[in-house]
Amino acid sequence: SQQGEEDPQALSIQEGENATMNCSYKTSINNLQWYRQNSGRGLVHLILIRSNEREKHSGRLRVTLDTSKKSSSLLITASRAADTASYFCATALSGGYQKVTFGTGTKLQVIP
Amino acid sequence: DAGVTQSPTHLIKTRGQQVTLRCSPKSGHDTVSWYQQALGQGPQFIFQYYEEEERQRGNFPDRFSGHQFPNYSSELNVNALLLGDSALYLCASSLYRSSYNEQFFGPGTRLTVL
Repeated sequence: SQQGEEDPQALSIQEGENATMNCSYKTSINNLQWYRQNSGRGLVHLILIRSNEREKHSGRLRVTLDTSKKSSSLLITASRAADTASYFCATALSGGYQKVTFGTGTKLQVIP
Repeated sequence: DAGVTQSPTHLIKTRGQQVTLRCSPKSGHDTVSWYQQALGQGPQFIFQYYEEEERQRGNFPDRFSGHQFPNYSSELNVNALLLGDSALYLCASSLYRSSYNEQFFGPGTRLTVL
């Protein structure tokens, strides 16, 4: 079963706008990761936020984590057509011997 | 520095057949995890291999088995294929002793069962 649930399931925006995706999860975690997947191919790791962090930035990406609400958000600023993809959150309980559990994904379409 | 590679890219099989998928991890990684991704869904964890042993397993039947070789590469075997096994199979590599388990994914193998 999926650990995380992304919201919305699909999002369509104009190029230049910001896109926000949310993820909720069920159990306590060690870290939460966001991945991007283009056209049903391999996943690309975007950013990892640890359970003791509240916000993290990487380029045009901003991730927040609220462990009390068991939720995270991914903000993509100044979106580009190349950002069109599916975005997944994934949670890990602890170190490398623990599996990473993925959510259901948000399909983002950026219209040029 | 080569990333994670998988072979083959696409595969078509018929019900009841057996299939073997292969994965080479990113250089320096020692752990391989396999995921099944059905169309429109998130990846589902199948199992993880480290030091040639299965360390974690998801909710998949025994028809799904694997192996890890001394060079850290891995195989996923599926026996008695069902139509429902049609999916994208993803391999991910990581470092076992990493505290945060960042995983690097291969491009996947698209399996179609007819």
